[in-house]
Amino acid sequence: KAGVTQTPRYLIKTRGQQVTLSCSPISGHRSVSWYQQTPGQGLQFLFEYFSETQRNKGNFPGRFSGRQFSNSRSEMNVSTLELGDSALYLCASRQWGGHTEAFFGQGTRLTVV
Amino acid sequence: QQQVKQSPQSLIVQKGGISIINCAYENTAFDYFPWYQQFPGKGPALLIAIRPDVSEKKEGRFTISFNKSAKQFSLHIMDSQPGDSATYFCAPDPRSNDYKLSFGAGTTVTVRA
Repeated sequence: KAGVTQTPRYLIKTRGQQVTLSCSPISGHRSVSWYQQTPGQGLQFLFEYFSETQRNKGNFPGRFSGRQFSNSRSEMNVSTLELGDSALYLCASRQWGGHTEAFFGQGTRLTVV
Repeated sequence: QQQVKQSPQSLIVQKGGISIINCAYENTAFDYFPWYQQFPGKGPALLIAIRPDVSEKKEGRFTISFNKSAKQFSLHIMDSQPGDSATYFCAPDPRSNDYKLSFGAGTTVTVRA
């Protein structure tokens, strides 16, 4: 069974640009969550999608947005990039309902210069 | 609102020693208590989890101890090995689909040979 796939693995962008990251969940998993990981802040929850609907949202500005497609694949977008957006962005997929294990991708390392 | 408090932030242990990581929570609705392990360059992965109907669960060298009255659970790594060097996160979970899966701040464990 293929794991969670995130693309691209590495990205360098300039301040003010926008970026789109992609996540393909494990087959059969309909929930996709996104996290920002930085050395000082740990794993910060961005949002979670299920059935193409955002179910939960973390405390991030509106520059961070996401969406989920009918095949459960998800994208997140960050507009007007700031230096502080440099981080590892992780996506996790899991089945919906009850206590289910979250399976993480390897992440996308975003560097804003 | 900080849901969980994880400690210590980091620890160094000699090979063969015991590593202990603690997680304190406030939400009494939590009823599933997992620990995730993350190696550099990888996403976190479920290591071990416990439900509140037991006070301890052991899997190999890894043990979770759960204290419901104190609202704390801990991870014990016995006979620590250099391969255990990683960052560990607690991520307590309630029986609710509306809950955003949040992680503790993380504990970086370094096992010295």
